[in-house]
Amino acid sequence: ETGVTQTPRHLVMGMTNKKSLKCEQHLGHNAMYWYKQSAKKPLELMFVYSLEERVENNSVPSRFSPECPNSSHLFLHLHTLQPEDSALYLCASSQDLRHEQFFGPGTRLTVL
Amino acid sequence: AQSVSQHNHHVILSEAASLELGCNYSYGGTVNLFWYVQYPGQHLQLLLKYFSGDPLVKGIKGFEAEFIKSKFSFNLRKPSVQWSDTAEYFCAVNRDNAGNMLTFGGGTRLMVKP
Repeated sequence: ETGVTQTPRHLVMGMTNKKSLKCEQHLGHNAMYWYKQSAKKPLELMFVYSLEERVENNSVPSRFSPECPNSSHLFLHLHTLQPEDSALYLCASSQDLRHEQFFGPGTRLTVL
Repeated sequence: AQSVSQHNHHVILSEAASLELGCNYSYGGTVNLFWYVQYPGQHLQLLLKYFSGDPLVKGIKGFEAEFIKSKFSFNLRKPSVQWSDTAEYFCAVNRDNAGNMLTFGGGTRLMVKP
């Protein structure tokens, strides 16, 4: 248990659905991250937030929309996804942008 | 663009064998280097990290890694593996002046036979 929780742990959705992934960190950190882990591809950084402001958006399609309402919570809003978006989505947090990241268990997403 | 290469995708060892997993990166400036491990059914966790100083870094569970700047490498080693080391290992790099934007390697799956 790293102090980073993610819900739901598993999600199956159709291409026309709208869903949200939630991440919460209990570590008092100021930076949070979304990563995508696909089969046979390296872990990819999607978004970075520091002090609730987005500092990085790695050319992620607009069907993924992050939200960071406060330093403890991070959401990833999903709409009109494609089957190739099926993957494990990992959340991480760090004390600030210079310190090591702590990862959550991930949400296994399947898009039908 | 910065990239991280882990050339060994799958490694199978017997218990007590020595381990070395390769990691090479492409960025020429100052970097911070990490090894993460993901045990079956568990989340990614930090094994060790290098920011500066002694290029030989000691981590948890008897792991160590050596930063060789001239070779752009940060190989992970353990003198004697155990069955419980079965996991996937990820090397990650971030540029010192680029915030905490980790670039990960593709991972190496290690299986240790009892």
